[in-house]
Amino acid sequence: KQEVTQIPAALSVPEGENLVLNCSFTDSAIYNLQWFRQDPGKGLTSLLLIQSSQREQTSGRLNASLDKSSGRSTLYIAASQPGDSATYLCAVYRGGATNKLIFGTGTLLAVQP
Amino acid sequence: DGGITQSPKYLFRKEGQNVTLSCEQNLNHDAMYWYRQDPGQGLRLIYYSQIVNDFQKGDIAEGYSVSREKKESFPLTVTSAQKNPTAFYLCASSEPGQGILMNTEAFFGQGTRLTVV
Repeated sequence: KQEVTQIPAALSVPEGENLVLNCSFTDSAIYNLQWFRQDPGKGLTSLLLIQSSQREQTSGRLNASLDKSSGRSTLYIAASQPGDSATYLCAVYRGGATNKLIFGTGTLLAVQP
Repeated sequence: DGGITQSPKYLFRKEGQNVTLSCEQNLNHDAMYWYRQDPGQGLRLIYYSQIVNDFQKGDIAEGYSVSREKKESFPLTVTSAQKNPTAFYLCASSEPGQGILMNTEAFFGQGTRLTVV
């Protein structure tokens, strides 16, 4: 059974710091991995999608990497801002007969001004 | 604008009552999903549908029912059999996986918060 874990569960940093959020999964047979952002009381916003054949994706100050063999992904946020404060979720997509996204429990990020 | 619309944003249910949550998408996606989110827990899959007139149970389907009569709509009914329905419900859509290189990016609605009164 696929399990997704995110570490740390919560993180507080001063504005301007670079930071790394971690996501690990137990079954490497995935089609892709997706990072989301969730603001309090809101839905999920897609940040980055990494397909299984790719090693990383970048969007602005965000960079996500994927290492299927070790079951790990990292989300790197450069020059953090208070507006980055949110919960960050990773999810793996298996596809095929078990077509669904499996989520981690998230990392709650607070960027202090 | 293309996207997923969930309604209502807030919903209150009395004991023993069935309620239906709406989810509509105009992204032309075949696959749609319902997730439940509880404080301190990850998102848990209730039901998913890969194509019209077909759907499968997820991990926590008991007490819920769905229909998929149209590609753009995937309503979720919370029945009286669901003993602890208070939660945040999220609907999503994506293209179904057809291979490793298929873009299966998932998009989510803004959620419905259901409270039992």
